[in-house]
Amino acid sequence: QKEVEQNSGPLSVPEGAIASLNCTYSDRGSQSFFWYRQYSGKSPELIMFIYSNGDKEDGRFTAQLNKASQYVSLLIRDSQPSDSATYLCAVGRASKIIFGSGTRLSIRP
Amino acid sequence: DGGITQSPKYLFRKEGQNVTLSCEQNLNHDAMYWYRQDPGQGLRLIYYSQIVNDFQKGDIAEGYSVSREKKESFPLTVTSAQKNPTAFYLCGSGGVNTEAFFGQGTRLTVV
Repeated sequence: QKEVEQNSGPLSVPEGAIASLNCTYSDRGSQSFFWYRQYSGKSPELIMFIYSNGDKEDGRFTAQLNKASQYVSLLIRDSQPSDSATYLCAVGRASKIIFGSGTRLSIRP
Repeated sequence: DGGITQSPKYLFRKEGQNVTLSCEQNLNHDAMYWYRQDPGQGLRLIYYSQIVNDFQKGDIAEGYSVSREKKESFPLTVTSAQKNPTAFYLCGSGGVNTEAFFGQGTRLTVV
């Protein structure tokens, strides 16, 4: 079992709709949770971080954390073509950050 | 101009050679990381460091070595023991147990 699991996609969403990206993690000692966006050929860019159970909103992005279910999600509202990218879920524990394999998101006009 | 600088952007290595990838940050971050990314894959942790003169192995440390002699610098050496080194290498930095930010990456190709 991978420590951080994501559906590889591709996930195709119409422009203007809500994109929902999911991630599960295996270690209950995980303390911090991150979402990165990565465009093809570029380095990852941090878009959200969350440390406590519940929701955290930043503009069109909402991160949701449920530690009991070991589940993290990212919602993107009003999806734009520029949101087409790979989204990487990452988990922090014991001073290191472990990444999932990423979900490819495609926003169709 | 603050940030994380990786150099070179592209690097070609002959079989059996050691090469060193540079990573410098001027963000006063304590933690630094090295990851490897293969096509269509996520990031895999090679080494990480939380403090000067101390570092730990990640999941795929074999064939790699690092040093952390200065807070700002965390160079990665890809040794000849790494049999499949062609990949995209990413250096990150951040606070301890907080988010990491990344440099532009180094693409290493074996020729």
